[in-house]
This record gives sequence, C-alpha cells and structure tokens, in this order.
Amino acid sequence: QKEVEQNSGPLSVPEGAIASLNCTYSDRGSQSFFWYRQYSGKSPELIMFIYSNGDKEDGRFTAQLNKASQYVSLLIRDSQPSDSATYLCAVNAGYNTDKLIFGTGTRLQVFP
Amino acid sequence: DGGITQSPKYLFRKEGQNVTLSCEQNLNHDAMYWYRQDPGQGLRLIYYSQIVNDFQKGDIAEGYSVSREKKESFPLTVTSAQKNPTAFYLCASSAGLAGVETQYFGPGTRLLVL
Repeated sequence: QKEVEQNSGPLSVPEGAIASLNCTYSDRGSQSFFWYRQYSGKSPELIMFIYSNGDKEDGRFTAQLNKASQYVSLLIRDSQPSDSATYLCAVNAGYNTDKLIFGTGTRLQVFP
Repeated sequence: DGGITQSPKYLFRKEGQNVTLSCEQNLNHDAMYWYRQDPGQGLRLIYYSQIVNDFQKGDIAEGYSVSREKKESFPLTVTSAQKNPTAFYLCASSAGLAGVETQYFGPGTRLLVL
C-alpha cells in the first residue's frame, strides 16, 4: 500500500522562528509533491509544489525534496501566528497520474 | 472569479436517505475528485473523473455514487448504504492527469447524520 507519513504534532514554535515540517513517502515512482495548508474547518489551500530534487523557495516558504531518501520537507521562515494550521503533504500515486495520496497532516502552532 | 464551488455548506441526512453534494468548477479543468476527511485524518479519495462521462472508484467508493455529465460538474451522492457518512467532503479539480498537475479544492460540505 502506498503511504505518505507525517508527524501529527503539534509542532510548537515561537514567532519569528523557522518551522520545519517533514514527510516521507513509500512509492519511488512518485514525481509530484505538494504542500497544502488547512486552517481548522476550512479546505486545503496549496502552499507549494516541487518536482525536482533540491530546494524550491517562495517567499517565506522553502520546499526540499530528496527522492533518494524519499522525503520532502517544508520550511517556514519567520513563522507568524497566522501560520498556525495543519500542513498536509501530498504525493502523486505513481508515475504519470494526478491521483494524490495525502498524509494525515502536521499541526503547527506558532506562539507570540 | 474562477474557482470551485460546493453546496450546501452543511447538509443533514436522515437514516435511509440519499443526499447529493454539488461541485461546480469554472476553471476549465478536465479532472475532478471527491475526498472525504474525518477528524484528525488525512484526505481519502472517493471517486475521480478524468473526462466527461467517465469516472473511477477511489479508495473508499462503497456507499457513494457520482456522475460526470458536464465538464464543470461532478455531483456526489451519499447513499443509504454508506453507514458512517458524517465527515467533511471536499471536491477538487486539476487541469489533467499528467502526473504534475496541481489539485485545487472547493470550500467543502460538512455532512451530519440526524
């Protein structure tokens, strides 16, 4: 069974710190990796996607992908209380399909 | 505004009743998806559709049915066979099945059993 694993948290970080969220996946054929943010009671919204090994930066967010080790991470710099949410990692379910497998999410708490 | 709409926001189902959740998108996306989310759980795929008049079962299709008569619409029916329907239902769409297309989500429908 293809799986995506995340630590459920909560991960608590002080305002202004770097939050590091990690995700591992089981299918070596996966080629697309997504991070979604979900506020309580709301639907997921896309934060970042990454397809290639290495880092991808977008503002305060950096996604890191290591296909050899089968993990993808999300770094949030200068964390703000408004970043407090659950972060879902999603991976496409094998080669050449947009069908996604979601992790259960990591709850992030940023305290002032 | 381009986007995905879902209705209603809240839906109450009585025992033995079938209910239908609406999902509409004006993004001109080919693929559409239905997920179920239970408290503290990840998203589980119910059904998906790559093209009009075609759809496939996801991981938890039992007790659900769908149709895809129009590109922009992908309604989900929760039948009386679904014994534990209370959940947050999310519809998503993507440009197509190419392995790299991002899925975008609607606001969701929360289904409760009376």
